[in-house]
Amino acid sequence: DVKVTQSSRYLVKRTGEKVFLECVQDMDHENMFWYRQDPGLGLRLIYFSYDVKMKEKGDIPEGYSVSREKKERFSLILESASTNQTSMYLCASSPAPTGTYGYTFGSGTRLTVV
Amino acid sequence: GQNIDQPTEMTATEGAIVQINCTYQTSGFNGLFWYQQHAGEAPTFLSYNVLDGLEEKGRFSSFLSRSKGYSYLLLKELQMKDSASYLCAVSPNQAGTALIFGKGTTLSVSS
Repeated sequence: DVKVTQSSRYLVKRTGEKVFLECVQDMDHENMFWYRQDPGLGLRLIYFSYDVKMKEKGDIPEGYSVSREKKERFSLILESASTNQTSMYLCASSPAPTGTYGYTFGSGTRLTVV
Repeated sequence: GQNIDQPTEMTATEGAIVQINCTYQTSGFNGLFWYQQHAGEAPTFLSYNVLDGLEEKGRFSSFLSRSKGYSYLLLKELQMKDSASYLCAVSPNQAGTALIFGKGTTLSVSS
């Protein structure tokens, strides 16, 4: 089974902190994605990556950056955390092209910024 | 623009049948996915349709009409464990562009 592992299930950070969310997949997938999920707003794409060292902005990249130094790892960085970044963050991966199973998601990180 | 619409909430009783609709308007189309997401958990894959028609998988079936930009997920013999959010997502093209997700339909199954 494909596994996508997110380093933390719950995180509490202070406003202004730099926050790193880590995601690792073990099936040699080319594509990796970061979404945030909020009630009533659904999944919104923050950033995605098609290859090592490549990144593309999604719909809501402001306040975030990403890093993909190795194929299996895709990190989401909150440069200076703010309370409006309190959310559930979901990482996903897929082969390229996406294929008939779409994404495999990690279990999510619920981030609270206080 | 890209848009996917699905009802926000639905309720049903155990043993019943429920149909969750999804309409989409996207710049391209290379398949439609349905995911199930229980509260506090990650979405999990349910089905994929790329050609018109019905795909059946046990108690779950998914239908696609590309000309109408329409899909539905049909859940039969509902069980309490089917209480979850159901996400409709479209792949806009073959190049692997990120999936576009609807906001999800929360289904509550009561006894």
